[in-house]
Amino acid sequence: AQKITQTQPGMFVQEKEAVTLDCTYDTSDQSYGLFWYKQPSSGEMIFLIYQGSYDEQNATEGRYSLNFQKARKSANLVISASQLGDSAMYFCAMREKGNQFYFGTGTSLTVIP
Amino acid sequence: DVKVTQSSRYLVKRTGEKVFLECVQDMDHENMFWYRQDPGLGLRLIYFSYDVKMKEKGDIPEGYSVSREKKERFSLILESASTNQTSMYLCASTRDSGRADEQYFGPGTRLTVT
Repeated sequence: AQKITQTQPGMFVQEKEAVTLDCTYDTSDQSYGLFWYKQPSSGEMIFLIYQGSYDEQNATEGRYSLNFQKARKSANLVISASQLGDSAMYFCAMREKGNQFYFGTGTSLTVIP
Repeated sequence: DVKVTQSSRYLVKRTGEKVFLECVQDMDHENMFWYRQDPGLGLRLIYFSYDVKMKEKGDIPEGYSVSREKKERFSLILESASTNQTSMYLCASTRDSGRADEQYFGPGTRLTVT
């Protein structure tokens, strides 16, 4: 079974609008961490936001927020007020006990002027 | 700032060649990782290392080996390159096994095997 599922291969959003990128995960651990990364066309992976499984509040970092629904095992990324520079691939990842990270297949976001 | 560097951004090799991809991090991180990234498949873990001379297989280790002789350096070795190893290779490191510690990535090496 896939540990991380991102069901949206590609998304479009109008500049200045908000967009939600979906991520569901599969784990039997009680303690785990969820991450979102951005990968622009230049190729580098940029860490955006982190959510711990015991965190009661949804994580926020500037225009990024993580909509964490533990019972549904979902960790959707919300980008508010989209900018042209937000056009990139976005990856959801999970870390359970131990050292391994699991990544989804990514969502390609295009911001339309 | 953590810096993870990779020896080459672009590499072209011939089938059957032995290929070395080098990764160096400058923040004394315990854990280092090698991924390959292919369109539609996301990042797939090849190997990771949690200490010097320690390594563990990831999801797709076949055709690859690794070496970690020093804490800051993690090498990926393609013993006999094949065309199906044409891919983007990403190296990453993390501070320790705490779940909150994000991975820091290098810029990637785009390898073409002809």
